[in-house]
Amino acid sequence: SYALTQPPSVSVAPGKTARITCGGNYIGTKNVHWYQQKPGQAPVLVMFYDSDRPTGIPERFSGSKSENTATLTISGVEAGDEADYYCQVWDSSTDHYVFGTGTKVTVL
Amino acid sequence: EVQLVESGGGLVKPGGSLRLSCAASGFTFSNAWMGWVRQAPGKGLEWVGRIKSRSDGGTRDSAAPVKGRFTISRDDSKNMLYLQMNSLKTEDTAVYYCTTYYSSAFDSWGQGTLVTVSS
Repeated sequence: SYALTQPPSVSVAPGKTARITCGGNYIGTKNVHWYQQKPGQAPVLVMFYDSDRPTGIPERFSGSKSENTATLTISGVEAGDEADYYCQVWDSSTDHYVFGTGTKVTVL
Repeated sequence: EVQLVESGGGLVKPGGSLRLSCAASGFTFSNAWMGWVRQAPGKGLEWVGRIKSRSDGGTRDSAAPVKGRFTISRDDSKNMLYLQMNSLKTEDTAVYYCTTYYSSAFDSWGQGTLVTVSS
C-alpha cells in the first residue's frame, strides 16, 4: 500500500523558517494536502492541491512539490505554529486516502 | 459556517458494537462527500472510510483494517452521517472525526468522539 514518510520532529527558532517534508513514490503525480493539529484539537487543513491556502491561513504558510517530495514551509515561525503537521494524498490505485506519519514542530 | 458534531462514543468491550453519529450544518449536506478519520491515542491520523453523495452514486468505501466490520451511512433528510462499528477490537480505540471532502482533501472536521474498546 502507498506510504508517506515525514520526519518525526522539526525544531525552529521564532522568526525563522520551518520546512516539513513528505516523501512518497511518485508523489509528484499526486495532489498533496497538509493539516495542522494542535494538542487536544481537531486537524485543520492548511494547504491543499500542493500549494493552495484555504481562506484564513496566513501567507506565511506555503507548499511545494518535486518528483518524490512535498514540502510545507512556514516562514517567520510564531509560537502559535507549534503543532503536529500531516501530509495526505489520495491513492488512485486503491481509491483510498493516505496520511503521512506526522511531524511535530517545536518552536524553540 | 460548517459545523460537524459527533456523538455516540464511549466504552465498549471487544467484540461489541457501537454507532457513531455526526450532525452536519452550514452547508448542503446532500451534495457533500462525507467520511470518517480516526486517531489512536498518541498516534497519527488514519482514514476510516467515505460515502459519496447520492448524485455521485452514494457509494462507500473503507480502509482495509475496518472493511467488513464498519459501515458508513447517511440520512440526507436529517443531515446526519453514521458509522456503524461491529466486532470491535482493542486496536479500534481512537478519537473518531467526521469530515467533509473538498475533492481529495478533508476540509472540515468535527471535534471528534472517543471510542474505547477494552474489557
